[in-house]
Amino acid sequence: EIVLTQSPGTLSLSPGERATLSCRASQSVTSNYLAWYQQKPGQAPRPLMFGASLRATGIPDRFSGSGSGTDFTLTISRVEPEDFAVYYCQQYGGSPITFGQGTRLEIK
Amino acid sequence: QEQLQESGPGLVKPSETLSLTCTVSGGSINNFYWSWIRQSPGKGLEWLGFIYYSGSTDYSPSLKSRLTISLDTSRNQFSLKLNFVTAADTAVYYCARNQLLPYDIFNLWGQGTMVTVSS
Repeated sequence: EIVLTQSPGTLSLSPGERATLSCRASQSVTSNYLAWYQQKPGQAPRPLMFGASLRATGIPDRFSGSGSGTDFTLTISRVEPEDFAVYYCQQYGGSPITFGQGTRLEIK
Repeated sequence: QEQLQESGPGLVKPSETLSLTCTVSGGSINNFYWSWIRQSPGKGLEWLGFIYYSGSTDYSPSLKSRLTISLDTSRNQFSLKLNFVTAADTAVYYCARNQLLPYDIFNLWGQGTMVTVSS
């Protein structure tokens, strides 16, 4: 099973700042099948990125993903007020699918 | 607009069976993989397993001995049964649609249903 470790646990930023979230895998993720989700309180996770760097439908271009192998990054170029939420990474290179423990992006 | 809706008891006694159903509305269950995912404070997001519209399944190794996922194409529904539940199975349970592949991202989610295991 691939273990995903996200850092930092909490990221405190002001609107307009750049956010950099990390996801590290315990072994290489097949074909860079790494996704990112955003979750707000009381809601289901929403997919942001897949294939490490491809934006899901309707996701604004301030969100970008990068990385390969075991190290992946989600970047929000300029954080908007609606971006404050919890972010999860997910690997889907094989069974079992696993998720990271999440990074909380909070208002500074 | 396609939607998923989970339904089932919110409270289950220890050692009993947790049963949930996901209803697909505004679209067809055919030609997709459908998954169950749960979220608990202690374990975060956890993939439980999937079923294809043809009936093929795969389960998380940690739950394989207790979990069954089935579907009813005539009702556009798929279901989860988890046997011999304990307090560790207390979680919000989500049904979701895989984007395309058996191991894939989940691009459509239900709202989630809270299930508590307690006597």
